Amino acid sequence: SQQGEEDPQALSIQEGENATMNCSYKTSINNLQWYRQNSGRGLVHLILIRSNEREKHSGRLRVTLDTSKKSSSLLITASRAADTASYFCATELRNRDDKIIFGKGTRLHILP
Amino acid sequence: NAGVTQTPKFRVLKTGQSMTLLCAQDMNHEYMYWYRQDPGMGLRLIHYSVGEGTTAKGEVPDGYNVSRLKKQNFLLGLESAAPSQTSVYFCASSYSPVGSGRSDEQFFGPGTRLTVL
Repeated sequence: SQQGEEDPQALSIQEGENATMNCSYKTSINNLQWYRQNSGRGLVHLILIRSNEREKHSGRLRVTLDTSKKSSSLLITASRAADTASYFCATELRNRDDKIIFGKGTRLHILP
Repeated sequence: NAGVTQTPKFRVLKTGQSMTLLCAQDMNHEYMYWYRQDPGMGLRLIHYSVGEGTTAKGEVPDGYNVSRLKKQNFLLGLESAAPSQTSVYFCASSYSPVGSGRSDEQFFGPGTRLTVL
């Protein structure tokens, strides 16, 4: 299976609720990034968290990283219709100069 | 700033035809990348460039060639298109290099949807 795998594959929640997505990976990383992709568009960077960091915030986004469990979570609080998109984690592998591995993504649908 | 632009947005080819996808960025980034995105899969790196005149293979380079004659442009070529190359192609650029813990965000273009019949 791939280095970075998001869970769940798809998520539907009511507007205003919080959305949590997870990313698990297999080998040591330098950092992990989260990207958003709206339908038919390119990816947009959300947050980068380095291997020596445990938590980062950006507006309504909160990212955690647990290197002992090789996992990260992305929390979107107070979801809005505009948050409907696919979310990808991307891991930069340690000791691999050319490697950023993207997961398959979580499709988030915010219900009105 | 336009950021990262890609041309064309859509293209349909017949098997065996050739074409070139153009990526341009106006952020003076050294590092540029070509990815493909297939349904149910994450982005996979085709080729990348660490500067003008230099290119390197990524994860899935077979059937593609690239050139970086100017810093702001990164071209992806398909010499003899195959149905397996039907995909959405994304170009990206970054200020810092991937690897060695120094990578930062990549800026993506809007994508080119290619269908090979």
